[in-house]
Amino acid sequence: KNEVEQSPQNLTAQEGEFITINCSYSVGISALHWLQQHPGGGIVSLFMLSSGKKKHGRLIATINIQEKHSSLHITASHPRDSAVYICAVRSDSNYQLIWGAGTKLIIKP
Amino acid sequence: ETGVTQTPRHLVMGMTNKKSLKCEQHLGHNAMYWYKQSAKKPLELMFVYSLEERVENNSVPSRFSPECPNSSHLFLHLHTLQPEDSALYLCASSQGRGVNSPLHFGNGTRLTVT
Repeated sequence: KNEVEQSPQNLTAQEGEFITINCSYSVGISALHWLQQHPGGGIVSLFMLSSGKKKHGRLIATINIQEKHSSLHITASHPRDSAVYICAVRSDSNYQLIWGAGTKLIIKP
Repeated sequence: ETGVTQTPRHLVMGMTNKKSLKCEQHLGHNAMYWYKQSAKKPLELMFVYSLEERVENNSVPSRFSPECPNSSHLFLHLHTLQPEDSALYLCASSQGRGVNSPLHFGNGTRLTVT
């Protein structure tokens, strides 16, 4: 079992829908990252969280440290949001990044 | 322009070939990384260079050989690869390696070993 689990693995939705992607982890962490990978391959950082909630445009990321769980929400989804969303946590013991396998999101027009 | 440039974008090579992947960062960072991304699997950290010194080598087979001639350039030399080495190889850089040092990724090299 991976130390970082994402769900769902794949998600297809219609334009305009509210999207939630989940990330659960089993190790102590100092920070959690959400990243986006477009079909071209490059990965960009969306959020780095250690507590609470962050918002950027239509994207919202939340984290519950006690439950070892984070969610990434997309409001008013758009086809350009189609990408793989990756959760990664930074271990608080060795400071290594531990990666989830990603959630592939497709937004249909 | 991502600030981290990888070439080539695509590479097809036979099992007996020798090729190299190149990564260049224009961000003034002092740490560089090679990651392997296989389909539906988490990213696997291969090598880390900090201040041009290799600081991590995560049990990567010797058919992969990294080189970091300076803080802006990173290479991955490939020889006698296997078909299971086919993957997306991503380069990243960061300023420092601490908790608050976000990674900046290139667009990757899609490698196919035939």
